[in-house]
Amino acid sequence: ELQLVESGGGLVQPGGSLRLSCVVSGFTLSNYWMHWVRQVPGKGLVWVSRINNDGSGTAYADSVKGRFTMSRDNARNTVHLQMNSLGADDTAVYYCARDLAPGYMDVWGKGATVTVSS
Amino acid sequence: NVLTQSPGTLSLSPGERATLSCRTSQTLDKNFLAWYQQKPGQAPRLLIYAISNRATGIPDRFSGSGSGTDFTLTISRLEPEDFALYYCQQYASSPYPFGQGTRLEIK
Repeated sequence: ELQLVESGGGLVQPGGSLRLSCVVSGFTLSNYWMHWVRQVPGKGLVWVSRINNDGSGTAYADSVKGRFTMSRDNARNTVHLQMNSLGADDTAVYYCARDLAPGYMDVWGKGATVTVSS
Repeated sequence: NVLTQSPGTLSLSPGERATLSCRTSQTLDKNFLAWYQQKPGQAPRLLIYAISNRATGIPDRFSGSGSGTDFTLTISRLEPEDFALYYCQQYASSPYPFGQGTRLEIK
């Protein structure tokens, strides 16, 4: 069974950092690009970042560029999202998703909730 | 590229036909448009990719069409489980924008 499981969410103060992880199973991670997508409760989906198969290429939404870093460890079947300088508008559910080339997302995790508040 | 979905909310009854629209601000020069369904408390689910191809396990009452800047998701006969949020997405290149969504509700 294809599965993506996010972890690492929680409550963080403004200006703080958090690292999300996404552990995959049921497929070979190194064969796929991966994405992070976020959603403020009650609002729409917003693409955050994407990483290629071997981690040599990444892309970010303008709203997170310079603050967020996406990485991967194919040997550990894990994708990460390091989030720094967090602000209230980063509060959202963060979904990890598999890219079934060339960019649509065919498998999604259940999401990790990030709350930025003092 | 900005994706604009209409209507914002669509109120229909089971058995009726639903037509959801997605308009892109720039011509899609490749067929890189997808549709997703999302139910409350759940992750999105891929319905359609490459404008008109159904994803694995998606019933044939779901169909996608369109070209250029205008795209449509059609649900031929609504089932109770189809009432949900629907998003379109272009994936020709980053930043892979989504539309703002159409809420399909029971009338």
